[in-house]
Amino acid sequence: LAKTTQPISMDSYEGQEVNITCSHNNIATNDYITWYQQFPSQGPRFIIQGYKTKVTNEVASLFIPADRKSSTLSLPRVSLSDTAVYYCLVGEAGSYQLTFGKGTKLSVIP
Amino acid sequence: SAVISQKPSRDICQRGTSLTIQCQVDSQVTMMFWYRQQPGQSLTLIATANQGSEATYESGFVIDKFPISRPNLTFSTLTVSNMSPEDSSIYLCSVLAGTQGATGELFFGEGSRLTVL
Repeated sequence: LAKTTQPISMDSYEGQEVNITCSHNNIATNDYITWYQQFPSQGPRFIIQGYKTKVTNEVASLFIPADRKSSTLSLPRVSLSDTAVYYCLVGEAGSYQLTFGKGTKLSVIP
Repeated sequence: SAVISQKPSRDICQRGTSLTIQCQVDSQVTMMFWYRQQPGQSLTLIATANQGSEATYESGFVIDKFPISRPNLTFSTLTVSNMSPEDSSIYLCSVLAGTQGATGELFFGEGSRLTVL
């Protein structure tokens, strides 16, 4: 299983774009990159998943460079409700065991 | 998608006792997982529970301490046995469902917060 490294915490003002980078230097060919969000007293919830280049949905964008050794979750115009812990996971397609790293605690400031 | 209900949502337990956590899913799912999240920490996978077979435990977790049942495709239980204060954690039930991406999407319950005195 590829190990992931993320910043422990980040602060951002409301309305700003937030980019959280995750390093996964030993990612394997069949691995996908997935991001989850966890609010206090709740279980994590899926945000976005990608394999390479760029993926965008209604919540976020995921940028993956060609070497796939890192990925960046981009949250446009954050609000106070985006304050949460964000986890980057790397897992093989078809493998259902996903390992959660330490996550990044994002604090959005008014 | 999947909606997961866990019981109890929280409990305070005495050292040496055991507690069973229930997980009910609103749809039939093959893969169910139990995670532990210690205060201020990330999630750690305890075991994978498939219906009709014994649970598969991760390194550091054993069946005697965390027995799991999976009687059907919508229900599972996790028992925390002979509890000590070190078992104080949030225990989360999770299922693999949906079609998001190549690895699917994990859905989580709200968690069961256990405090052991």
